[in-house]
Amino acid sequence: KAGVTQTPRYLIKTRGQQVTLSCSPISGHRSVSWYQQTPGQGLQFLFEYFSETQRNKGNFPGRFSGRQFSNSRSEMNVSTLELGDSALYLCASSAKLTRTLGDEQYFGPGTRLTVT
Amino acid sequence: KNEVEQSPQNLTAQEGEFITINCSYSVGISALHWLQQHPGGGIVSLFMLSSGKKKHGRLIATINIQEKHSSLHITASHPRDSAVYICAALAMDSNYQLIWGAGTKLIIKP
Repeated sequence: KAGVTQTPRYLIKTRGQQVTLSCSPISGHRSVSWYQQTPGQGLQFLFEYFSETQRNKGNFPGRFSGRQFSNSRSEMNVSTLELGDSALYLCASSAKLTRTLGDEQYFGPGTRLTVT
Repeated sequence: KNEVEQSPQNLTAQEGEFITINCSYSVGISALHWLQQHPGGGIVSLFMLSSGKKKHGRLIATINIQEKHSSLHITASHPRDSAVYICAALAMDSNYQLIWGAGTKLIIKP
């Protein structure tokens, strides 16, 4: 089974631009979560999508948005980029067969975004 | 106070030593995850547990629901175990969102 893939792997943008990152979950997984990790910081939860619906959202400004398609692939978008948005963006998929019990999370390799 | 706290933040040990990393949480949970992140960013799920103990190779994870505490142990540690170890709690009161610890950076010296 192919793992979680993220594209692009590396990205350099300038302040004020917008960016779209893509995540393809493991086949059959319906839940995709997005995280931001900055140097020296732990993982910060952005949002979770399940069957095309946003189910959870972290404490990030509205510049951060996402969506999930019918094939479970997900995209996140950051508009009006700021220098502080430079980070590793990780997505994780899980089967989420039963939401309350949780499922093992499978992480992609991440997209390293640099904002100059 | 963070809802999920890990200790220690940093740990350096010699090859072969027995390692313990602790995770305490203050929220009601349905499961707790332990994950490993290597330099370069890749994250691998190690365990998901809701009670008792799980073992995989040289890794052992335990959880005490009453005390709201989990531990990750590494026996016969090896330099390749050097990584950041992260615990994450699946919090019932937060719409079953994962709440992440800050991670423990482990360095095993040969």
